[in-house]
Amino acid sequence: QLQLQESGPGLVKPSETLSLTCTVSGGSISSSSYNWGWIRQPPGKGLEWIGSMYYSGSTYYNPSLKSRVTISVDTSKNQFSLKLSSVTAADTAVYYCARHVGYNWNYLDYWGQGTLVTVSS
Amino acid sequence: QSALTQPPSASGSPGQSVTISCTGTSSDVGGYNYVSWYQQHPGKAPKLLIYDVSKRPSGVPDRFSGSKSGDTASLTVSGLQAEDEADYYCSSYAGSNDVVFGGGTKLTVL
Repeated sequence: QLQLQESGPGLVKPSETLSLTCTVSGGSISSSSYNWGWIRQPPGKGLEWIGSMYYSGSTYYNPSLKSRVTISVDTSKNQFSLKLSSVTAADTAVYYCARHVGYNWNYLDYWGQGTLVTVSS
Repeated sequence: QSALTQPPSASGSPGQSVTISCTGTSSDVGGYNYVSWYQQHPGKAPKLLIYDVSKRPSGVPDRFSGSKSGDTASLTVSGLQAEDEADYYCSSYAGSNDVVFGGGTKLTVL
């Protein structure tokens, strides 16, 4: 059974860079059939797609976050990562990693449990 | 990129059916058959219910069904059960490698 687990600091200061890692177990992150993504949810609000990465390594981001987001992969550790720069309080949210299926980002079928990141001094 | 429009709330009694709408544009919902629906219980991660408009992953009860007409997708929950009380989100491919979610609908089982 595929499992995803987010990890990283729960508190980030304003203007700094948020960094999270998603560890994938029960399957290879290098599989040519699947892609990987990040989604966030501010407290009490809805879901927002942050960006996703094809198995080939190509990355695509939410246009509203594109200038601040980087998604990368470490196949040797079966992990992929998220970096979000110049954070503000508006970036406080639960951050989820997920498997993104389909050439057209059809759907997200496996999700991590989520990790709360608070932006505060 | 604008969020898809969902009603903030919906409700129904046990055994009844309820339908949740998800309205977009011809650039997202209306333009592609890549609409998915997710169920989220409080404090939990979202769970995939429907993908590619109307397909159900293995393990999802057939009480959950999806459809689409024009720029509006719909999720129908039949035979409502207490455990169906949750938040529901739609999502769609929006072209140019973009993905958009709906604002979410809180389903209450009366």
